[in-house]
Amino acid sequence: SQQGEEDPQALSIQEGENATMNCSYKTSINNLQWYRQNSGRGLVHLILIRSNEREKHSGRLRVTLDTSKKSSSLLITASRAADTASYFCATLIQGAQKLVFGQGTRLTINP
Amino acid sequence: GAVVSQHPSRVICKSGTSVKIECRSLDFQATTMFWYRQFPKKSLMLMATSNEGSKATYEQGVEKDKFLINHASLTLSTLTVTSAHPEDSSFYICSARDWLAGTFEQFFGPGTRLTVL
Repeated sequence: SQQGEEDPQALSIQEGENATMNCSYKTSINNLQWYRQNSGRGLVHLILIRSNEREKHSGRLRVTLDTSKKSSSLLITASRAADTASYFCATLIQGAQKLVFGQGTRLTINP
Repeated sequence: GAVVSQHPSRVICKSGTSVKIECRSLDFQATTMFWYRQFPKKSLMLMATSNEGSKATYEQGVEKDKFLINHASLTLSTLTVTSAHPEDSSFYICSARDWLAGTFEQFFGPGTRLTVL
């Protein structure tokens, strides 16, 4: 079953603005990962944050993790039209080896 | 990064036929591969976990006789949709974990779009 809930479900912003997406989960996790998917394509791994980490950066991406609130956020700074895609969080549940995906956020960057 | 391929990328078949989808890890060994199904504008639903040399573990509600999974080598897993029907039309995505890397990162294939007429 899917345990991740993401909000917003859809987000539309102007190029250059920052985009923030949130993810909440229900059970204890080993790590949380963010993926991007362009329409009709496979998934691209963006960033992994372990349960003992609170923040991680990769280029224009910033991910935070709050295990007490069971939530994570993905911030994309200085957005570009090429960032238009669906973004999914996925959690690796403790004791399991499988990823459970959230419902995703459809991000549209308007030029 | 590690590369996972899927073949075919797109398949159209008649109702009642069986379709085989291949998932290959191209530059690493994957003891574990995963099969997902994705409906339009929806998230990925895990169907089964495939372990090399053993039977696949299916998620609740997934018919194992309908979706046959074989993981015969460290670089290849196959999903066969048997007696396909229009409701089986979907986007099927596999992923693989590089066990030698010792990380939990999964690498995803580009997906296979199945259309059953």
